[in-house]
Amino acid sequence: RKEVEQDPGPFNVPEGATVAFNCTYSNSASQSFFWYRQDCRKEPKLLMSVYSSGNEDGRFTAQLNRASQYISLLIRDSKLSDSATYLCVVITISGGSYIPTFGRGTSLIVHP
Amino acid sequence: SAVISQKPSRDICQRGTSLTIQCQVDSQVTMMFWYRQQPGQSLTLIATANQGSEATYESGFVIDKFPISRPNLTFSTLTVSNMSPEDSSIYLCSVGEYSGANVLTFGAGSRLTVL
Repeated sequence: RKEVEQDPGPFNVPEGATVAFNCTYSNSASQSFFWYRQDCRKEPKLLMSVYSSGNEDGRFTAQLNRASQYISLLIRDSKLSDSATYLCVVITISGGSYIPTFGRGTSLIVHP
Repeated sequence: SAVISQKPSRDICQRGTSLTIQCQVDSQVTMMFWYRQQPGQSLTLIATANQGSEATYESGFVIDKFPISRPNLTFSTLTVSNMSPEDSSIYLCSVGEYSGANVLTFGAGSRLTVL
């Protein structure tokens, strides 16, 4: 079983749709969680951090469920510019080591 | 967040040669990582670059193939040695901090094509 799993998609949705991505992780000691966005031929860029209390940034809402070991990203009112790959990132700090683990990414295509 | 300058941004190399990629950060950072991303794939961690000591390599990656230097807290290099077409990939430098945020920041990547 991979440490961080995501549905690779692609998710193909019309503009204005609401779409949700999930990501599961296997290490219960993981401490920090993020969603990154990667555009084609570009480096990953931080989209948002994920907290147990949930956090919202405009049309984007991220949620962490520690008991079930998954994180989610909800995108409301999808725009064409939201088309990208969304990477789930889990960070574990153990014995002085900082260990980032990436999911394989979920592709989103928003069409007119 | 830290600003990372990575170069070269792209290169085309002949089989059997070596290429060194540089990563310069505008501030001192605790951790620097080197990733590889092959076409259509997610990121694979090659190694953690440790300041003043040997890098920590992930399974499947060895120092002879991917020697890494980190002479100080703002600079690191990754060399891809004795290249073959299978090494064609994007190589990404990333930095992280042991702060409350624990956020990773990436360089723009180096796109390598080996003929």
